[in-house]
This record gives sequence, structure tokens and C-alpha cells, in this order.
Amino acid sequence: GENVEQHPSTLSVQEGDSAVIKCTYSDSASNYFPWYKQELGKGPQLIIDIRSNVGEKKDQRIAVTLNKTAKHFSLHITETQPEDSAVYFCAANRQAGTALIFGKGTTLSVSS
Amino acid sequence: DSGVTQTPKHLITATGQRVTLRCSPRSGDLSVYWYQQSLDQGLQFLIQYYNGEERAKGNILERFSAQQFPDLHSELNLSSLELGDSALYFCASSPREKSYNEQFFGPGTRLTVL
Repeated sequence: GENVEQHPSTLSVQEGDSAVIKCTYSDSASNYFPWYKQELGKGPQLIIDIRSNVGEKKDQRIAVTLNKTAKHFSLHITETQPEDSAVYFCAANRQAGTALIFGKGTTLSVSS
Repeated sequence: DSGVTQTPKHLITATGQRVTLRCSPRSGDLSVYWYQQSLDQGLQFLIQYYNGEERAKGNILERFSAQQFPDLHSELNLSSLELGDSALYFCASSPREKSYNEQFFGPGTRLTVL
């Protein structure tokens, strides 16, 4: 079955710096890769996603890139702000309507 | 706010007991997924229902069961509870089975087994 590895497990940056979180997946048939942000005491919130027919997607300060050949995808956050501090999860699945397989999460701390 | 609601927010109980967690999906969503989040295992898929029928099972223990009702809300039943069942339980909903990948999560139920 699918396995998703996520690195790093913790990431500390200064406000205004960029942050990059990387994930690798094992199932070459996976075609959907969402990123979730989880704040303390809340459920995971979908922040951006990418499908396998696209190499990059941007939404304001966040972007996701996908390398299908290498089976990895990354989340990029530019101009980080303290409110970006949270746990970020990557995930993958191979078919709409099926369960997501999650990475273990990255705790991002942005200090001002 | 994702539009997915879960009750209760917190649940404290003793080993051997049985509890029921409730989830109401977003309006119009037919698919409900249950996930367990623990510190050492991360987010793990438990079970999926679509329009009242079980669709897929993940790492769900035999002591756990779920159902989805005609109004599309879902309940997760956990019985013979053990200390290791302490975790956050999330449900997520999705509009249709085949057309949408996006899953929207509720705020979760924190279960503590003493």
C-alpha cells in the first residue's frame, strides 16, 4: 500500500523567511496530493492541493510542487508570519473517493 | 469552519467502557471518513461510508464499528476501551465518491481513556 514520508518533523524559521516541507510517496499510481494545516485544538484544514497532471500550483504565499518521476512533492511558504505556526501534513491518494494516506506531520514555528 | 461538526468535543471514560462519537458532514456531502490521530501514529484512516453504505476499511479494530444514517450523519462506536484508544478522532466529508478528492475535516473528538 501507499506510504508517505514527510520531512522535517520540526522546522523553525524567522518571520519573513521561507519554509519548505518535503514529502515522498511510494505508490506511483497516486494522483492527488493535498496539504493540511492543523492548529492547536482544531481539525486539519485543507490549504492547497495538486493533482498529478500539474507540476506546480500557487495560492498567494503558498505553493506546492510535484515531481512525479521522483515521487516527491513539496510545500513552500514564503514571507512566513507567526500565524503560519502550526502542524502541516501532506497526504496522497490514488483515486477520488478513497482514504488519504498522511505523512507524520511537520511542526512549523515562526518566530517574530 | 469546514462545515463538518463533531460531538462531543471531549470525552473522558474508563477502560472497558463503550462510547459513541457523532459526525455531521457538510451539507450535501455523501461520503464520510473516520480518522484516528495519535502522537505516535499520526493520522490513520479507520473507515469510510458513502450514502449509508460502508465503502472501505482501514486500520480499524474489531472493537470499533461505525454507521451512516439516512440523514447522512455518522457515528463511530468504540467498545471495550483500552488505554491505547486515547486519541483524537476526526471525521471528514467529501461531496461525491468518484468525482472529488477533497476531504474536509471536522474539529475532532478528544477521547481520553483512564
